[in-house]
Amino acid sequence: SQELEQSPQSLIVQEGKNLTINCTSSKTLYGLYWYKQKYGEGLIFLMMLQKGGEEKSHEKITAKLDEKKQQSSLHITASQPSHAGIYLCGAQNAGGTSYGKLTFGQGTILTVHP
Amino acid sequence: DTGVSQNPRHKITKRGQNVTFRCDPISEHNRLYWYRQTLGQGPEFLTYFQNEAQLEKSRLLSDRFSAERPKGSFSTLEIQRTEQGDSAMYLCASSLRTATTGELFFGEGSRLTVL
Repeated sequence: SQELEQSPQSLIVQEGKNLTINCTSSKTLYGLYWYKQKYGEGLIFLMMLQKGGEEKSHEKITAKLDEKKQQSSLHITASQPSHAGIYLCGAQNAGGTSYGKLTFGQGTILTVHP
Repeated sequence: DTGVSQNPRHKITKRGQNVTFRCDPISEHNRLYWYRQTLGQGPEFLTYFQNEAQLEKSRLLSDRFSAERPKGSFSTLEIQRTEQGDSAMYLCASSLRTATTGELFFGEGSRLTVL
């Protein structure tokens, strides 16, 4: 089965700083998703990447999938307190019949100090 | 806002009792998913439905767990003879089968505490 490892497990930054969260897979990724979760709440979709070398941005968040499709990074520029939360990467299983059956990493807890 | 709705939000029960969670997906979504999340971990897939058909179940879903989506709209997840290890957040998500982004819309979850 596919496993996803996220690093770091937690991150504390000062407002305005840039940061990067990594997600590494034990197998080739066929669809890599980034979600954000506020503590005790549901997940909010951020971005999906499918092609090697693909990069997507939304506001101050950029996600990339490497050429080998085994690692993804999430970069936040000029962090704000509103970026605080748990960031989760999720992978679609190869050959799966449902896009929604995902294997998630353990999450990265981001704290942004004003 | 007619997002995914889950009830109850919190449930505390004694070991051995049965509990049932309900999920109301976004109305036009034909796919519905259940995930379980324990503290400090990412969500784990349990099962999913396309309309009323349960298409896949994880090995995590023991015979004490049963999920239904009788009319292809809301879904229920029942846990019989609860154990302390069942304590977790149970998340429901929905999506459109034809969606190209693969985005899942999650509810806020139902937190179960088994004493």
